[in-house]
Amino acid sequence: KAGVTQTPRYLIKTRGQQVTLSCSPISGHRSVSWYQQTPGQGLQFLFEYFSETQRNKGNFPGRFSGRQFSNSRSEMNVSTLELGDSALYLCASSSTNFPTGELFFGEGSRLTVL
Amino acid sequence: AQSVAQPEDQVNVAEGNPLTVKCTYSVSGNPYLFWYVQYPNRGLQFLLKYITGDNLVKGSYGFEAEFNKSQTSFHLKKPSALVSDSALYFCAVRAINQAGTALIFGKGTTLSVSS
Repeated sequence: KAGVTQTPRYLIKTRGQQVTLSCSPISGHRSVSWYQQTPGQGLQFLFEYFSETQRNKGNFPGRFSGRQFSNSRSEMNVSTLELGDSALYLCASSSTNFPTGELFFGEGSRLTVL
Repeated sequence: AQSVAQPEDQVNVAEGNPLTVKCTYSVSGNPYLFWYVQYPNRGLQFLLKYITGDNLVKGSYGFEAEFNKSQTSFHLKKPSALVSDSALYFCAVRAINQAGTALIFGKGTTLSVSS
């Protein structure tokens, strides 16, 4: 079974630009979550989607947005990029909507903002 | 508020020795606890979880974790460390609110196993 696939793996943007990251969950998984990982702040929760509905959102500004499609694939978008947005963005999927299910993470998309 | 603490930034151990990576948590309600490992430039890999039942949970790669409700701890252990165990380890608790669930992670502990 293929794992969680994130594209692109690496990208470089400049301040003020916008970026879209893509995530394909494990087949059959309907729950997708996004996390931001930085050396200073660690792993921080961005959003959680289940069946195309955003169920939960972390404490990030409105520049960070996401969506989920009917095939469970998800995208996140960051507009008006800032230097501090440089991070590893991790997508995770789960086979269950219940809190007992573990998350399966992708390799991440490493964003560098210059 | 729900939170996880990993009191050690780094743990050093010699190959063949037992290892422990510490984690304490704070939650309201039942704790759902997880351990993940991250190798350089990779995503997180699931090791094990505690949901309910036996306090000693066994997971991948010979790792286990002991849940202690009175001490609100969930320490990761392995009887005999390998050099290949060197990585960044994260403890996490599932936070539940009205809207959904999210994993709250600790800051991570770097495990270094020397040969």
